Amino acid sequence: GIQVEQSPPDLILQEGANSTLRCNFSDSVNNLQWFHQNPWGQLINLFYIPSGTKQNGRLSATTVATERYSLLYISSSQTTDSGVYFCAVERGNAGNMLTFGGGTRLMVKP
Amino acid sequence: DTGVSQNPRHKITKRGQNVTFRCDPISEHNRLYWYRQTLGQGPEFLTYFQNEAQLEKSRLLSDRFSAERPKGSFSTLEIQRTEQGDSAMYLCASRDGGWGGYTFGSGTRLTVV
Repeated sequence: GIQVEQSPPDLILQEGANSTLRCNFSDSVNNLQWFHQNPWGQLINLFYIPSGTKQNGRLSATTVATERYSLLYISSSQTTDSGVYFCAVERGNAGNMLTFGGGTRLMVKP
Repeated sequence: DTGVSQNPRHKITKRGQNVTFRCDPISEHNRLYWYRQTLGQGPEFLTYFQNEAQLEKSRLLSDRFSAERPKGSFSTLEIQRTEQGDSAMYLCASRDGGWGGYTFGSGTRLTVV
């Protein structure tokens, strides 16, 4: 099956700093989503981004499908950004299921 | 639109007991998915439905796991004869058709003692 690797696995930032999270995937995909999992376990959809660039406030994401990677940018980080960030991909012929990476655990210190 | 709703939020059960979880998807979404997440890992796919039809169930972890969506609306996931290794977060998601983003519920955290 498709492999999804996220880096870095852990990240500690000082409030106000910027960061870039990376997601590499091993095969072509027709769906890619970034999620933030809060301390209560809820997966919050950040971006649906199979290709191109999107921005939402302090967050933005870029997917380069031909090179099989996606980047999530967090600017001016806040303590509420802490949690686990997951990248998940879907292939069209694989039962329409999401395959998740291992996540990046982010801690933003005040 | 109240999002994807899962009940209960937490379940503690003794080993060997049966448990059932419920998921209510977003009303206009015809696809419903179940995932399991263990500590420190990303969610892993279990099964999914399109309306009432279960289109993929080979990823269910054992024959102790079963899922239903009898009228194409809510779904239930049952685990029979629970084992300690079943302790995990069970997540439900829905989407409108085979395209677009998935919306996840808050999950049911199962602890088997």
